Amino acid sequence: SQQGEEDPQALSIQEGENATMNCSYKTSINNLQWYRQNSGRGLVHLILIRSNEREKHSGRLRVTLDTSKKSSSLLITASRAADTASYFCATVLPGGGFKTIFGAGTRLFVKA
Amino acid sequence: DAGITQSPRYKITETGRQVTLMCHQTWSHSYMFWYRQDLGHGLRLIYYSAAADITDKGEVPDGYVVSRSKTENFPLTLESATRSQTSVYFCASSATGSVSQPQHFGDGTRLSIL
Repeated sequence: SQQGEEDPQALSIQEGENATMNCSYKTSINNLQWYRQNSGRGLVHLILIRSNEREKHSGRLRVTLDTSKKSSSLLITASRAADTASYFCATVLPGGGFKTIFGAGTRLFVKA
Repeated sequence: DAGITQSPRYKITETGRQVTLMCHQTWSHSYMFWYRQDLGHGLRLIYYSAAADITDKGEVPDGYVVSRSKTENFPLTLESATRSQTSVYFCASSATGSVSQPQHFGDGTRLSIL
C-alpha cells in the first residue's frame, strides 16, 4: 500500500494561475519531500518539510504540512508552461532510515 | 559533467534473458538506490546500498540482483527477465543516510521485455 497519495491525479490550468496539489499519508513521518519529474527525465528534489514545520517557502513554491490530518499541499504560484510536469510527494517513516516512499504523483499541465 | 548517469536509456529484451542496468555517480555519495516506476504505483524501491559492499532489499526485490564493488557504481541485474519487469528503472543517490537528505536521480532506463 502506498504511504503517500497525491490528489488530484491530473490538473490542467492556464499560465499565470496557481496550482495546488495535495498529498495524504497514512502513518507518522519524519519529513515529507516534494519532487518534480519532467517527461522522460528523472525526479528532481524541490523542497523538504520536517514534521515539526507547518509551512515552507522556496521561490514560487509553498508547502504546508498538517500532521494532525496527515496531509501536505504544494502550491505553485503564477504558474508557467515550464512547470508542466508530474509532482510527487515522498515520505520517510520514523525508524525507516533513508527509505523514501513515493506517491503516484499529480500530473500538472500548464497551458500557455 | 558531474552527476548520475544510467545506461542504457532504452533496452528491449526477451523473457528469460539476463539484463544489467548500469548506474554511475560522480559525487562519491555513500547511498544509492534502485527504483522502478510503473503507472499507478509511483516509484517503488527495489534495492539500496549504504556503501560499497553493503546492499539491502527494498519493497520489491524479487527477480533482481545488485552489487556494489565500487562507491560510484551500482548495477542492477535481472537474472531471468519476465514481462512483469517491463518498467522504467531509476537510479538515485544521496550523500548520507540522513532522512533530511534529498535523493538525486538519473534519467532512467526504459526496459521492455517481450
